[in-house]
Amino acid sequence: GENVEQHPSTLSVQEGDSAVIKCTYSDSASNYFPWYKQELGKRPQLIIDIRSNVGEKKDQRIAVTLNKTAKHFSLHITETQPEDSAVYFCAASRDTGFQKLVFGTGTRLLVSP
Amino acid sequence: GAVVSQHPSRVICKSGTSVKIECRSLDFQATTMFWYRQFPKQSLMLMATSNEGSKATYEQGVEKDKFLINHASLTLSTLTVTSAHPEDSSFYICSAREFVSGGYNEQFFGPGTRLTVL
Repeated sequence: GENVEQHPSTLSVQEGDSAVIKCTYSDSASNYFPWYKQELGKRPQLIIDIRSNVGEKKDQRIAVTLNKTAKHFSLHITETQPEDSAVYFCAASRDTGFQKLVFGTGTRLLVSP
Repeated sequence: GAVVSQHPSRVICKSGTSVKIECRSLDFQATTMFWYRQFPKQSLMLMATSNEGSKATYEQGVEKDKFLINHASLTLSTLTVTSAHPEDSSFYICSAREFVSGGYNEQFFGPGTRLTVL
């Protein structure tokens, strides 16, 4: 089955800096890659996603890149703000069948003012 | 966006009792619902997938007799933790997916249920 690895486990940056979180997946049939932000005790919130037919997607300060050949994808946050502090999870899924998501291990991002 | 609710948000029970958690899709019909368990500072681990009107599909290592899942309608799925023990204490999160033909359908997550077994 699918296995998703995520790095780093923790990331501390200064406000205004950029943050990059990387994930690798094992199932070459996976073709949908969402990123979630989870604040303590809250539900995961989808912040951006990408499908395998594109290499990059951007939404304001957030971007995701995908390298299908290498089977890795990354989340880029620019001009970080303290409210970006949270745990971020990547996930991977096939776009068929039950479409279950396999989550990465999570990255705790801390943005210091 | 689509809204998924969960009830209760928190529950404390004694060891050996059973606890039922409800997951509802409020403004759409969920053909598929997923149940996750999240231990502190860990990732979401899928427990089972349930499709309306059929038996749930459990992930490897998840005891189906202990975690009973019922998806009797397109808007409601329930997870019952039977004979709960302290090691079952965790954050349980459901998600629901509405089928729309032509592509991947986003999963919408419930707010989670914090279960504490004494």
